[in-house]
Amino acid sequence: DIVMTQSPDSLALSLGERATINCKSSQTVLYSPNNMNYLAWYQQKPGQPPKLLIHWASTRESGVPERFSGSGSGTDFTLTISSLQAEDVAVYYCQQYYSPPPTFGGGTKVEIK
Amino acid sequence: QVQLQESGPGLVKPSETLSLICSVSGGSISSYYWSWIRQPAGEGLQWIGRIYFSGSTNYNPSLKSRVTMSVDTSKNQFSLNLASVTAADTAVYYCARGFDGSGSYRFDSWGQGTLVTVSS
Repeated sequence: DIVMTQSPDSLALSLGERATINCKSSQTVLYSPNNMNYLAWYQQKPGQPPKLLIHWASTRESGVPERFSGSGSGTDFTLTISSLQAEDVAVYYCQQYYSPPPTFGGGTKVEIK
Repeated sequence: QVQLQESGPGLVKPSETLSLICSVSGGSISSYYWSWIRQPAGEGLQWIGRIYFSGSTNYNPSLKSRVTMSVDTSKNQFSLNLASVTAADTAVYYCARGFDGSGSYRFDSWGQGTLVTVSS
């Protein structure tokens, strides 16, 4: 199985600050024939199911605010929230869908300082 | 917009079989993959397996010996059976939709989840 490792486990920032979450996969999730990274990001608020934010490492889902962006390739990826809002308090997970079984990172908890 | 809803017993005894149903509304169950994913309290997410509307299945090797999934297209439902449960199977169980095509193991719609506790 591909192991997904996220850092940090948690972070607390002030409103308006930039949040950066890292995700590393134990092997590449870049599929060379189509040059696509099989990497997704989810947001999970308390008591709710995960919500798909970003797929193909950097493509935002419809309706996801532009302050959320994804970057990276191969084995190293980043989710950035450019200006943290109160409604962004949640746990964020990365997930690889390159090779079954799909696997998730351990999550990063984002809080307001 | 498609909606998914899990249903089933919230309490299962050790060694028995956990059985859940996911009802799909607002869209057809056809032409998509349908997965079960679980999350123990305070922990991360584990993919259990998936079923295509045709009935073909893929399971997580770590659970494969205990998992059975089925689909009923006439009712727009699919189900999960997990046999010989222990306390380690206590979790919130989600059903989720995956794409039919490249990247089919990403999940764009999720049910609200149902808590299943394994206890005597």
